[in-house]
Amino acid sequence: DAKTTQPNSMESNEEEPVHLPCNHSTISGTDYIHWYRQLPSQGPEYVIHGLTSNVNNRMASLAIAEDRKSSTLILHRATLRDAAVYYCILRDPGNQFYFGTGTSLTVIP
Amino acid sequence: DVKVTQSSRYLVKRTGEKVFLECVQDMDHENMFWYRQDPGLGLRLIYFSYDVKMKEKGDIPEGYSVSREKKERFSLILESASTNQTSMYLCASSLGWTGNNQPQHFGDGTRLSIL
Repeated sequence: DAKTTQPNSMESNEEEPVHLPCNHSTISGTDYIHWYRQLPSQGPEYVIHGLTSNVNNRMASLAIAEDRKSSTLILHRATLRDAAVYYCILRDPGNQFYFGTGTSLTVIP
Repeated sequence: DVKVTQSSRYLVKRTGEKVFLECVQDMDHENMFWYRQDPGLGLRLIYFSYDVKMKEKGDIPEGYSVSREKKERFSLILESASTNQTSMYLCASSLGWTGNNQPQHFGDGTRLSIL
């Protein structure tokens, strides 16, 4: 099964950009890369996903390496509300998500 | 917005009891999932269902069963609760079989303690 590797924790100053890395060296050609985040005392919420091309939405940007073995979630201006655990997930054609332990992001005022 | 509702935020049960965790979604999603979340282990898939009366084992199904009698409702059952099933349980739903790019929508979880 394809798996992801993320740093356990990261810090960022408020209003600065944040780059959250993810390695997925065993990704298959049909796996989508999804990012979710989990705020304290809540269930995970969807952030963004992509297959091969970089993606942007109102929450974040997703940069995918050309060989697809890594990706980066970019928060353009971190706010205190962005403090959460961020999960990088691969989704296989069998419809399952494989969650890791994620990156705990601390935003410093 | 999609709403996934779990019946309880907190639940305390005793060892050996039969425990039911209920989950309801309001977006007519085909797929529903049950995960448990433990510190240091992330989210682990217990069971999922892609249609009424259908179920598939996830990574850690032992000690659990599920029921999907109606499309909107997916129940997780602990047949005989044990202390190692103390955990946060998360339910999710998603559109099914329209490609593997559909996001999952999660409830806020049930924190279950088995004494």
